[in-house]
Amino acid sequence: DAGVIQSPRHEVTEMGQEVTLRCKPISGHNSLFWYRQTMMRGLELLIYFNNNVPIDDSGMPEDRFSAKMPNASFSTLKIQPSEPRDSAVYFCASSPNRVGGTEAFFGQGTRLTVV
Amino acid sequence: GNSVTQMEGPVTLSEEAFLTINCTYTATGYPSLFWYVQYPGEGLQLLLKATKADDKGSNKGFEATYRKETTSFHLEKGSVQVSDSAVYFCALIDGGGADGLTFGKGTHLIIQP
Repeated sequence: DAGVIQSPRHEVTEMGQEVTLRCKPISGHNSLFWYRQTMMRGLELLIYFNNNVPIDDSGMPEDRFSAKMPNASFSTLKIQPSEPRDSAVYFCASSPNRVGGTEAFFGQGTRLTVV
Repeated sequence: GNSVTQMEGPVTLSEEAFLTINCTYTATGYPSLFWYVQYPGEGLQLLLKATKADDKGSNKGFEATYRKETTSFHLEKGSVQVSDSAVYFCALIDGGGADGLTFGKGTHLIIQP
């Protein structure tokens, strides 16, 4: 398996523009997580899905952020409109089941820069 | 709620030195504990894990023991190499809830030749 695949690897956009980050989880994994990493705040869990259903989105910072998982092999994280403070590395991770004890497998991340 | 506290970095050591990175946790349930490593420009990779008290996780010369009495999961390596330079994250999943991993802030390790 190719692992968790994220695209794009790098994104530079202007403030106010819409940004869409994409993730393909590992086949057969039924949990998917979106994290944001910054120097100031470290790794923050934004939202996670189980069997394509959003379970907890309490980490989503604002209404400008939205995430979808239309099927088991694809998820998006959208920021509209983007702001400079959204600049960060966004990671997607997947896990084979929801119960504790199973680690998550991470993609290589999308480095977002909003200018 | 759940939380993970790990020592602040950066930690700078000479090659072949002994490494300890402290990690303590707070959890509402009975968590599983993990150490992840992040090399420059890459995502996080699982380094080792332990799922119950007194378990010892080990990989690539690194070890950590799940200590329930002290709520700790300290990472150790007897002799570090330059290639171990990376950011190390301690994390937990609460066995009762599975709300995704809760991470510490990460410890940047720098190994000098």
